[in-house]
Amino acid sequence: EVQLVESGGVVVQPGGSLRLSCAASGFTFNDYTMHWVRQGPGKGLEWVSLITWNGETTYYADSVKGRFTISRDNSKYSLYLQMNSLRTEDTALYYCAKDLGGYTGFDYWGQGTLVTVSS
Amino acid sequence: EIVLTQSPGTLSLSPGERATLSCRASQIFSSSYLAWYHQRPGQAPRLLIYGASTRATGIPDRFSGSGSGTDFTLTISRLEPEDFAVYYCQQYGRSSITFGQGTRLEIK
Repeated sequence: EVQLVESGGVVVQPGGSLRLSCAASGFTFNDYTMHWVRQGPGKGLEWVSLITWNGETTYYADSVKGRFTISRDNSKYSLYLQMNSLRTEDTALYYCAKDLGGYTGFDYWGQGTLVTVSS
Repeated sequence: EIVLTQSPGTLSLSPGERATLSCRASQIFSSSYLAWYHQRPGQAPRLLIYGASTRATGIPDRFSGSGSGTDFTLTISRLEPEDFAVYYCQQYGRSSITFGQGTRLEIK
């Protein structure tokens, strides 16, 4: 059974930093592109970032470019999101999601970890 | 960046009725890169359709997708109680991915 379990969400002050983690199991992690997607309170889905299977290629939404860094450790079946210079508008539930493959969609999602940016 | 606009914002229907949800893109892209999800309250999104018309694993055949170019449609032939949720379309670009703002499907 595929499982994705996010952790690391906390309350942080504007300008602060945070690292989110996603522990994967039930599939061959190093075969798949992985993503972070966020959802602000009462809002829709916003794609944040992706990283290819070997970590060589990453892309970011314009809203987080230059502030967030996605990474992965295939030996630990783990995905990460380093978040710096946090803003109040980064407050959201952050999901990690597994890519289905072939630029198609996200077939498995975690339950999310809540990041609140507030003074 | 491709902007996806979903309509209607809210759709009120009864169980057993047919639902038609629309997703319009700001520019043409391949239907191979269009997906649909639904999200029930308190749950993570679930992939329903990818490649505009291919049902994901375990998705019942009352869900169908169609469209091309800039106009895509998700149809639910006979609504079940568990289908009342928020529905999102998504375009999967090579370096950027966007979601529509969502359509809320509510019980009438």
